[in-house]
Amino acid sequence: DIHMTQSPSTLSTSVGDTITITCRASQTINTYLAWYQQKPGKAPKLLISGASNLQYGVPSRFSGSASETEFTLTISSLQPDDFATYYCQQYYSYLPLTFGGGTKVESK
Amino acid sequence: QVQLVQSGPEVKTPGASVKISCRASGYTFSNYYIHWFRQAPGQGLEWVGVMNPTDGSTSYGVDFLGRVIMIKDTSTRVVYMELSRLVSEDTAVYYCARGDLTSVTKRSYFEYWGQGTLATVSS
Repeated sequence: DIHMTQSPSTLSTSVGDTITITCRASQTINTYLAWYQQKPGKAPKLLISGASNLQYGVPSRFSGSASETEFTLTISSLQPDDFATYYCQQYYSYLPLTFGGGTKVESK
Repeated sequence: QVQLVQSGPEVKTPGASVKISCRASGYTFSNYYIHWFRQAPGQGLEWVGVMNPTDGSTSYGVDFLGRVIMIKDTSTRVVYMELSRLVSEDTAVYYCARGDLTSVTKRSYFEYWGQGTLATVSS
């Protein structure tokens, strides 16, 4: 299995801050990496695919980047609606598809 | 618009089976894989398996082999996931999600998700 290590697990921050979440893959996954936002009681919402391709309708303050097996999600000028849990997912291998452990972004 | 609508919450006793449905609309049903995931309370996301609605072929996660079955009803555009020999650790929200085109790849990211179905296993 491809293991995805996501950090930090919790991030306490404030509106207007810029935050970065990191996901490290246990082996190469090229750019087969997606980021999701999940709010309590809701299904995950796709933000980014292909490591850096912003989904239609997702605000431009969200961005993704990749460097070998390390991937980052950056949220610039955090907005109140951005407090949520974020997950990365690799789709280089579907047996199995795997997710990072999640990062809860909470208000400081 | 693409929609995946799942069946309602379930409460089961240990050893029983649960069958959850996922009704697709807004696209050609047989053209896209349907994947299933689960999320235990307060935990992350876990892949359960995938079905090709074109031919009914499936692939399952190793942790679920021998306990999970995915089937389809093309006439009603529904995919079912049945998990048997339930234990308390199977308590989770189960999601279906639309994958990539069946002519392309099983490996996918997911734009369209069902609303989730809470399955509770308790004696």
